[in-house]
Amino acid sequence: EAQVTQNPRYLITVTGKKLTVTCSQNMNHEYMSWYRQDPGLGLRQIYYSMNVEVTDKGDVPEGYKVSRKEKRNFPLILESPSPNQTSLYFCASQPGQGWMGTGELFFGEGSRLTVL
Amino acid sequence: AQSVAQPEDQVNVAEGNPLTVKCTYSVSGNPYLFWYVQYPNRGLQFLLKYITGDNLVKGSYGFEAEFNKSQTSFHLKKPSALVSDSALYFCAVRGSNDYKLSFGAGTTVTVRA
Repeated sequence: EAQVTQNPRYLITVTGKKLTVTCSQNMNHEYMSWYRQDPGLGLRQIYYSMNVEVTDKGDVPEGYKVSRKEKRNFPLILESPSPNQTSLYFCASQPGQGWMGTGELFFGEGSRLTVL
Repeated sequence: AQSVAQPEDQVNVAEGNPLTVKCTYSVSGNPYLFWYVQYPNRGLQFLLKYITGDNLVKGSYGFEAEFNKSQTSFHLKKPSALVSDSALYFCAVRGSNDYKLSFGAGTTVTVRA
């Protein structure tokens, strides 16, 4: 089954404790992206990757890091989480390299993060 | 800069009545437009898209949307709503020469029995 898998789905942590949210897709998509969803703000892009070893900042990259060492994986790293990073996070992938494709995004089920 | 506006936070309709969720956009160049739906505790699911061609596009679950270039709108419609259509709906846009997809704030649809 074609899917985007995120882990963990739920996480409660404390300020400053490093954490990683993993994302994996099995559709051989070049483009992957991370979004955060907050009430009234919709989805805002954190980071994206056009292909392996190519990453770039989205609209709200502060406090986050990413890496793309393999095509299928795109982990989101919070080096020192703060309460304002409490949010619902979504990983997504898309066939084709960004604007070169007309396809839609495929989303993971989401990871709800609470930072105390 | 591109942007999407969904002017209604909530839409409430009775089952069997028509459903409309509004979306207007701003983008450089030709728009690629999308609608996604999010059910509780789930990720976003693709409903339909407009890339080019016929202004009326049909998608999943009986939904359709009409692209109106002069009004820069892409309203989502369903002729007869179901209780199971109750969800959060997002409109999204990107330019034909751009990689980035911008989302609206979302509209919560409630269909009462």
